[in-house]
Amino acid sequence: KAGVTQTPRYLIKTRGQQVTLSCSPISGHRSVSWYQQTPGQGLQFLFEYFSETQRNKGNFPGRFSGRQFSNSRSEMNVSTLELGDSALYLCASSLGGSNTGELFFGEGSRLTVL
Amino acid sequence: AQKVTQAQTEISVVEKEDVTLDCVYETRDTTYYLFWYKQPPSGELVFLIRRNSFDEQNEISGRYSWNFQKSTSSFNFTITASQVVDSAVYFCALRRTQGGSEKLVFGKGTKLTVNP
Repeated sequence: KAGVTQTPRYLIKTRGQQVTLSCSPISGHRSVSWYQQTPGQGLQFLFEYFSETQRNKGNFPGRFSGRQFSNSRSEMNVSTLELGDSALYLCASSLGGSNTGELFFGEGSRLTVL
Repeated sequence: AQKVTQAQTEISVVEKEDVTLDCVYETRDTTYYLFWYKQPPSGELVFLIRRNSFDEQNEISGRYSWNFQKSTSSFNFTITASQVVDSAVYFCALRRTQGGSEKLVFGKGTKLTVNP
């Protein structure tokens, strides 16, 4: 059974640019969550989607957005990149719905903003 | 608000030593879930255990054991006879049981280095 797949794994951008990260959940999983991991702030929740609807959102500026498609794949977008957006972005999937399932994480997309 | 504190930033042990990773949490909810995840250098978070707040029974899985004490709001993780492959960053996390969200609140993590 394939795990959570995130693309790209590594990317370098410059300030002011935008970036789109992709996440393919485990087959059959309907819930996708995104987290930002930085050395200073640790793991912080970005947003969560279930059946194409945003179910919860973390405390991040509007430059951070996401969406989920009908096949449960998800993308997140960061516009007008800042140096502080450099981080490992982790996606997690779960069956969803019952609120009791464990989250399965991908290996992340490591973004460097220059 | 929910909060998870892992006071140990880094721990270094020699192989075969036992090591305990501490986790203290804060929540106003009467029911909640607690988790431990392992993050190897590759980056992904690997699920280790989920504990429901009404189940205070300690659990052992091979060399791993968990001690949940609701009275002190702690959920500590012990690795017995540590091995080099245990080297990783370990995260404790908290999740509400209500509200329909699976959002996890993580501690800052404890980096464990097991030396041969």
